[in-house]
Amino acid sequence: VQLVESGGDVVQPGRRLRLTCQASGFRITTSPMHWVRQAPGKGLEWVSLILRDGNNRNSADSVKGRFSIVRDIARNTLFLQMNSLRIDDTALYYCARDGAGGSLDLWGQGTLVTVSS
Amino acid sequence: NFVLTQPHSVSESPGKTVTISCTRSSGSIADNYVQWYQQRPAGVPTMVIYENNERPSGVPDRFSGSIDSSSNSASLTISGLTTEDEADYYCQSYDNSIPWVFGGGTKLTVL
Repeated sequence: VQLVESGGDVVQPGRRLRLTCQASGFRITTSPMHWVRQAPGKGLEWVSLILRDGNNRNSADSVKGRFSIVRDIARNTLFLQMNSLRIDDTALYYCARDGAGGSLDLWGQGTLVTVSS
Repeated sequence: NFVLTQPHSVSESPGKTVTISCTRSSGSIADNYVQWYQQRPAGVPTMVIYENNERPSGVPDRFSGSIDSSSNSASLTISGLTTEDEADYYCQSYDNSIPWVFGGGTKLTVL
């Protein structure tokens, strides 16, 4: 059972990037799934959530309207589409599985996004 | 919206017990479960407490969690401290307006 993120890169402000989270050992349709980020030297910040039905999603105000969370059921993969990137989006991005009581019981190793001119 | 406030850092000696607090700014701490995560240097966060006081399998019983409605806070207590417990610890909860909220994190030093 694991999550593996990929897609992180160095990009200029205003550009777009898509992060991928490949799940194995469980189906992403059985749990809500999240993206969480951590800026260098900073704490954890929740980014976005997709519920089991795939239709209900929510995002933090800091990314609302710019980031969208989507999934590919056939590929058992979660994505984070990031548009209009800003310098303060620079962070390590983790995907995580929602467990009991609203916990995040499984995390990937993270993928690094650097936004710089 | 609410904020979870943690002390920036705590320190204690090996073998001792330390408690890290997490205070909710608005709404009741009892309204929604609180979780705790450990993040060792350069490591991935791992859950050490869920649903206020439950331990995932593999987490030693030296780790315990509680909530206190009178102070509107949650606490993580670690007993029998070892150098392996040195890490950042984050509390997390949720509500309907902002689904998931993390505390700012507490750096635990065991010296």
